[in-house]
Amino acid sequence: QEQLQESGPGLVKPSETLSLTCTVSGVSISGYYWTWIRQPPGKGLEWIGHIYDSGNINYNPSLKSRLAISVDTSKNQFSLKLRSVTAADTAVYFCARALRGTIFGAVIHRIDSWGQGNLVTVSS
Amino acid sequence: QSVLTQPPSASGTPGQRVTISCSGSSSNIGSNFVYWYQQLPGTAPKFVIYRNDQRPSEVPDRFSGSKSGTSASLAISGLRSEDEADYYCAAWDDSPSASLYVFGTGTKVTVL
Repeated sequence: QEQLQESGPGLVKPSETLSLTCTVSGVSISGYYWTWIRQPPGKGLEWIGHIYDSGNINYNPSLKSRLAISVDTSKNQFSLKLRSVTAADTAVYFCARALRGTIFGAVIHRIDSWGQGNLVTVSS
Repeated sequence: QSVLTQPPSASGTPGQRVTISCSGSSSNIGSNFVYWYQQLPGTAPKFVIYRNDQRPSEVPDRFSGSKSGTSASLAISGLRSEDEADYYCAAWDDSPSASLYVFGTGTKVTVL
């Protein structure tokens, strides 16, 4: 049974960089889409982006200019860096695993495993 | 900036049927599969419906999904107290300007 665990600081100052790491256990990190999703307090889910085998990365256009997602297969980890944060970036950040494919051109994209979430507050 | 629209709330008494709608467009629901996620208070979401209308074996058959054109819906029949949660639809969105996974605005289901 795979497990995902986020780690990183719970408090980040405005204008600084938010950095989170997700450690994956119980399954190889190769062959899946490793995903970051966030949820501001009391609000809905927002997909941040995903990475597949280092070379295939998709970012949410609304965050793309500040965002970097990377993977370290030797450590079975993937990471998120979000630059120049503001209070609007305060959220619970989830790491997750997605299964992706197509059937007759229709995209299958199922998020089937999640970390427990890491609350990151942006405040001075 | 969700592009999938859901009603903010839905409610019913135990045993009733509740239906949640999800409205999208041709670039997401209209051309790709829809997923439904349940988020219990204080926990990470989990999917309850995949590929429009498929239910994982561990999800009760009280949950059902459907899709028609650019809209989808989730129905919960025989409502139970443990179904009280937030529900989100989701789909991959392939618009000319970007490709991303989009979630619905979310619906809070209350069991009266």
